[in-house]
Amino acid sequence: GAVVSQHPSWVICKSGTSVKIECRSLDFQATTMFWYRQFPKQSLMLMATSNEGSKATYEQGVEKDKFLINHASLTLSTLTVTSAHPEDSSFYICSAPIVAPNYGYTFGSGTRLTVV
Amino acid sequence: QQQVKQSPQSLIVQKGGISIINCAYENTAFDYFPWYQQFPGKGPALLIAIRPDVSEKKEGRFTISFNKSAKQFSLHIMDSQPGDSATYFCAATSGSRLTFGEGTQLTVNP
Repeated sequence: GAVVSQHPSWVICKSGTSVKIECRSLDFQATTMFWYRQFPKQSLMLMATSNEGSKATYEQGVEKDKFLINHASLTLSTLTVTSAHPEDSSFYICSAPIVAPNYGYTFGSGTRLTVV
Repeated sequence: QQQVKQSPQSLIVQKGGISIINCAYENTAFDYFPWYQQFPGKGPALLIAIRPDVSEKKEGRFTISFNKSAKQFSLHIMDSQPGDSATYFCAATSGSRLTFGEGTQLTVNP
């Protein structure tokens, strides 16, 4: 139980285009979704926190106009990378807090974004 | 500011050996300490977790040791197997915010 499905698993896009990443909670309601970015051989860095029905909270240094987050329902949160550039190439991962079967967090499988 | 320090950065162990990864934290408000395992191209998966009122937790070959006074905790992998080769992250939470350590790349040689 407590599965977050993340799509796509990988995407290649051209500079200047936008890319949308979706995270769906399959068997529970995710009122909160965390979005992380991970560069090769580095740790996960929190980008933003989204809450259903309200504006996302962005970490310091993360451009909110570039990384648009929408959490329109209790089962879907999306991250849109707008006007992507090669430096946005990274591994993006979503995560939701859970209370059952065990307290903690469940993670999506990640999206490898490559901007060419 | 990195609030959870993890070491070593990389670790090579022979099959059947013990893998030990250490973490230290500063924020005494942390109240939940999970360890995650991540394979290349995948999201992290919860391995084992502990709360600060417990000094040790064991699940199969994985054990967390927790020293609240020293603000340190460690992961021990007994009888390490090649399939355990992955990146391991310690983490700590305060409220709903999860802070990760820098990660340890574990290689278990056959």
